[in-house]
Amino acid sequence: QSVLTQPPSVSAAPGQKVTISCSGSSSNIGNNYVSWYQQLPGTAPKLLIYENDKRPSGIPDRFSGSKSGTSATLGITGLQTGDEADYYCGTWDSSLSAGRVFGGGTKLTVL
Amino acid sequence: QVQLQESGPGLVKPSETLSLTCAVSGYSISSGYYWGWIRQPPGKGLEWIGSIYHSGSTSYNPSLKSRVTISVDTSKNQLSLKLSSVTAADTAVYYCAREGRLTLVRGVLNWFDPWGQGTLVTVSS
Repeated sequence: QSVLTQPPSVSAAPGQKVTISCSGSSSNIGNNYVSWYQQLPGTAPKLLIYENDKRPSGIPDRFSGSKSGTSATLGITGLQTGDEADYYCGTWDSSLSAGRVFGGGTKLTVL
Repeated sequence: QVQLQESGPGLVKPSETLSLTCAVSGYSISSGYYWGWIRQPPGKGLEWIGSIYHSGSTSYNPSLKSRVTISVDTSKNQLSLKLSSVTAADTAVYYCAREGRLTLVRGVLNWFDPWGQGTLVTVSS
């Protein structure tokens, strides 16, 4: 059972927008920064968003991140079939001795 | 461009020790950052195993701490993972990744980037 809660799956049509939520608590998301990772089928995760809403070089601006209170959201606009992947949120948990935690992951299906 | 590559046996017997190596290229481990191991059981999500700072200090997932050892060899620019007394539940793809971590006024900022391609380790007799 993950410390961070994500919906198991979301779906939307090509060209549409989708959001993926990540719910936590004051010991993790509420007082620390969130990152997001994209895992395409059969590949390693890739950093998509860090520091709640910043995109690494090379990540298109169709991907966005936000945080409010103890929840974070990943947004993807102009959906493409190539966006079909698993998405994970991650953060630091101050209540744990070692801190790093991930959400359970959300599978995005582009219909 | 920083690249990481995991290597090690793909099959380990129950009760034995899993040993993996992660070779880093394009960046010197001794220059900074944390270096972490993350695993993913088949069809499941990500689980952080542990991390090591370039100086050698380590931190481990409490649920695995009694069985995990992570070390660095700066002369070879690689890090290693040892997981003892393995069971079928330890079957997973094991990834190494560079970890950034900053303690800021508004909280801890940490991220994993880049990741190695991963290596599947199956625990079976």
